Amino acid sequence: EDQVTQSPEALRLQEGESSSLNCSYTVSGLRGLFWYRQDPGKGPEFLFTLYSAGEEKEKERLKATLTKKESFLHITAPKPEDSATYLCAVQGGSEKLVFGKGTKLTVNP
Amino acid sequence: GAVVSQHPSRVICKSGTSVKIECRSLDFQATTMFWYRQFPKQSLMLMATSNEGSKATYEQGVEKDKFLINHASLTLSTLTVTSAHPEDSSFYICSVPGLAKNIQYFGAGTRLSVL
Repeated sequence: EDQVTQSPEALRLQEGESSSLNCSYTVSGLRGLFWYRQDPGKGPEFLFTLYSAGEEKEKERLKATLTKKESFLHITAPKPEDSATYLCAVQGGSEKLVFGKGTKLTVNP
Repeated sequence: GAVVSQHPSRVICKSGTSVKIECRSLDFQATTMFWYRQFPKQSLMLMATSNEGSKATYEQGVEKDKFLINHASLTLSTLTVTSAHPEDSSFYICSVPGLAKNIQYFGAGTRLSVL
């Protein structure tokens, strides 16, 4: 059974304080690992897809990396508008996405 | 702009009534759409896969007679929660596979509150 575990559950940062979010996974035949951002009361917003170990993707202050067992979402010099819940999901042998519970990030000014 | 439109965004209903939620793919045709449910501080859980022109595929533990799915066109899927009860109160979200490899795009979600 595909599984995703995200840590920490919640993270508070000061503006400009860089950090990383972790996503550990087990999947049968990885087709893709996905990072989404979810604001309160909203649907998830797509950020990145990673397909193979060693791959990296960047977007503004965010950088996602992938190994065979985990993915990291690095946040460099975060701003208050980066506050959200970040979701990790894996896709195995089918189109189904299996999500973690997310990391709630709060960036204080 | 939004790729997926979901309505309503919020609904409050009495116990025993039925509620219909619509999910529209705005940018492209979708033979498959997905319905998820999210309880507070929990993961998004896939409920069912909606298939255009055929029966939906339900995940284990999801009652197909309670959560009726209709995918009547290549741009519209509906989820009807029948005889809703307070335990059905949750955040329901649909998604549509994009043209890019494996990526799913999500609607804004529907907050269902059953009194």
